[in-house]
Amino acid sequence: GAVVSQHPSWVICKSGTSVKIECRSLDFQATTMFWYRQFPKQSLMLMATSNEGSKATYEQGVEKDKFLINHASLTLSTLTVTSAHPEDSSFYICSAADRAQPQHFGDGTRLSIL
Amino acid sequence: GQNIDQPTEMTATEGAIVQINCTYQTSGFNGLFWYQQHAGEAPTFLSYNVLDGLEEKGRFSSFLSRSKGYSYLLLKELQMKDSASYLCAVSESGGSYIPTFGRGTSLIVHP
Repeated sequence: GAVVSQHPSWVICKSGTSVKIECRSLDFQATTMFWYRQFPKQSLMLMATSNEGSKATYEQGVEKDKFLINHASLTLSTLTVTSAHPEDSSFYICSAADRAQPQHFGDGTRLSIL
Repeated sequence: GQNIDQPTEMTATEGAIVQINCTYQTSGFNGLFWYQQHAGEAPTFLSYNVLDGLEEKGRFSSFLSRSKGYSYLLLKELQMKDSASYLCAVSESGGSYIPTFGRGTSLIVHP
């Protein structure tokens, strides 16, 4: 079946640094990739949707200058959390889909900002 | 917009059957998904229903009634490893394939 790879799994860093998370679809070309954030015991919250070669569409309340998304190819999207602060600590999950596939999720990235 | 409702928590006994309900309200319907999410892990796709009826896949089955805005996920022969959160997600019509997730149902299976 479809596989989505997300890297890294864990990140611990100091406040003020930037963190890049990669999301790759391994055996299908994902026309659309999604980035979610999930706080403990809460539901997945969609942050943004990215289509290959175009600007990402951000959900209301998500700062596009803080959460930079690049979807350079049909198999790779990146999320960069710029100048991260403790309140950005969360579980970030990407997913990928095309018209023939329901969303398949990466394993998630647990981000801890000290 | 969408409104998705599912119970917050359910408990069941190993070997039993449990049904997790999901009701939704949407301006246009393009499919309903069920995902399983273990604590600290990403969701895993379980099922996708776009037409009315029951879809069976091993120990798991998913049912959809579009006229009632209702779905359920049925888990048979429960195992301890089935303890997880089960997420109902609905995709709206109008060209979008992006599902909106409910808050999830935390299922606890005990011996």
